[in-house]
Amino acid sequence: AQSVTQLDSQVPVFEEAPVELRCNYSSSVSVYLFWYVQYPNQGLQLLLKYLSGSTLVKGINGFEAEFNKSQTSFHLRKPSVHISDTAEYFCAVRPMDSSYKLIFGSGTRLLVRP
Amino acid sequence: DTGVSQNPRHKITKRGQNVTFRCDPISEHNRLYWYRQTLGQGPEFLTYFQNEAQLEKSRLLSDRFSAERPKGSFSTLEIQRTEQGDSAMYLCASSLEGGESTEQFFGPGTRLTVL
Repeated sequence: AQSVTQLDSQVPVFEEAPVELRCNYSSSVSVYLFWYVQYPNQGLQLLLKYLSGSTLVKGINGFEAEFNKSQTSFHLRKPSVHISDTAEYFCAVRPMDSSYKLIFGSGTRLLVRP
Repeated sequence: DTGVSQNPRHKITKRGQNVTFRCDPISEHNRLYWYRQTLGQGPEFLTYFQNEAQLEKSRLLSDRFSAERPKGSFSTLEIQRTEQGDSAMYLCASSLEGGESTEQFFGPGTRLTVL
């Protein structure tokens, strides 16, 4: 079985400051890793994904994440946030077996203040 | 490409009533997924289809829930004898078969409120 933990339910940050959203996972099999963003009244949008290769992954809107296998983590970072980054961020895993389902964390609300 | 669409966007119903939601995936996508998202939580997987075949169902999908994708295009999710605990956002996603890197594209969801 798999599970995803996002310990921070809300992260307040000032505009232009750096931010890190934490994600840890547990799985008995290898997984693919994803970060999604959800703006109010909209569907989830893929920010970035890790499938294999380089552990540092770059995504859209200036976000990046680093896969750490030993710590089973996939933290999301951005060096300078904008007001428009205010949204809910979800970390997700997909097991490398025959299943195509995504298993999501509970989400982190990023609140960017001027 | 208009993306994944879901109808209705909002549904309010009384306990015990049946409701049906529709999802129209991106036209060339052959995989379709249903998830449920309750307040303050991440989406939880319910079921998925490859073309018209329902290949996986979560234990969350009780006997009151049924999903269909009769022609391998749009899908419907029906909840019979709704309960207050069914109140949630129901999300649909679709993807194109093509190996490990296939991205799931999500619709805006249908918000169900059971009174």
